[in-house]
Amino acid sequence: AQSVSQHNHHVILSEAASLELGCNYSYGGTVNLFWYVQYPGQHLQLLLKYFSGDPLVKGIKGFEAEFIKSKFSFNLRKPSVQWSDTAEYFCAVTASGTYKYIFGTGTRLKVLA
Amino acid sequence: DVKVTQSSRYLVKRTGEKVFLECVQDMDHENMFWYRQDPGLGLRLIYFSYDVKMKEKGDIPEGYSVSREKKERFSLILESASTNQTSMYLCASSLMTGLGGYTFGSGTRLTVV
Repeated sequence: AQSVSQHNHHVILSEAASLELGCNYSYGGTVNLFWYVQYPGQHLQLLLKYFSGDPLVKGIKGFEAEFIKSKFSFNLRKPSVQWSDTAEYFCAVTASGTYKYIFGTGTRLKVLA
Repeated sequence: DVKVTQSSRYLVKRTGEKVFLECVQDMDHENMFWYRQDPGLGLRLIYFSYDVKMKEKGDIPEGYSVSREKKERFSLILESASTNQTSMYLCASSLMTGLGGYTFGSGTRLTVV
């Protein structure tokens, strides 16, 4: 069965620090990968997605993620975080051609001003 | 702006009550989903529907049922609410292929007392 692991449950950073949130999945076939963000009191929003092609994907608000197939990973990065990046981040995976996502348990990021 | 609208933001219900959570999308999406979100557990799929009157169980369907009589509307029903169903309930929709990601509603925070 597919599964998604987000090993960092809580992350605290100071503004301007670099961010990397880990996401590993277990599935042997072709996958589509997503990162979603949930700002306090708001609904989940799509941050970026990977289907195929360049494994380095750029999303909104300066975020990027790199798909490393050999490591079954899709880590989220941002070179310099801002206080407004405080949110919960969810990684999700689906087998290519299907629409049922498997979500990770989420990572709560707090950025200190 | 495309939307997924959940009828209630907050609900308080008594144990044993029958509870209806409504979700409407205006994007003509084929797929609709109900998740519950709990701290430390991430998003867990309750039920999903890929067409009118079609439904499939997700990972935690026990104690829930769903109804999809029209393409734009997907209802979650708690047959007899229990305190362990206190949670945030999220509705989402997507295209048949899942490309483009999910669009989420703002959520309904249900408290069962």
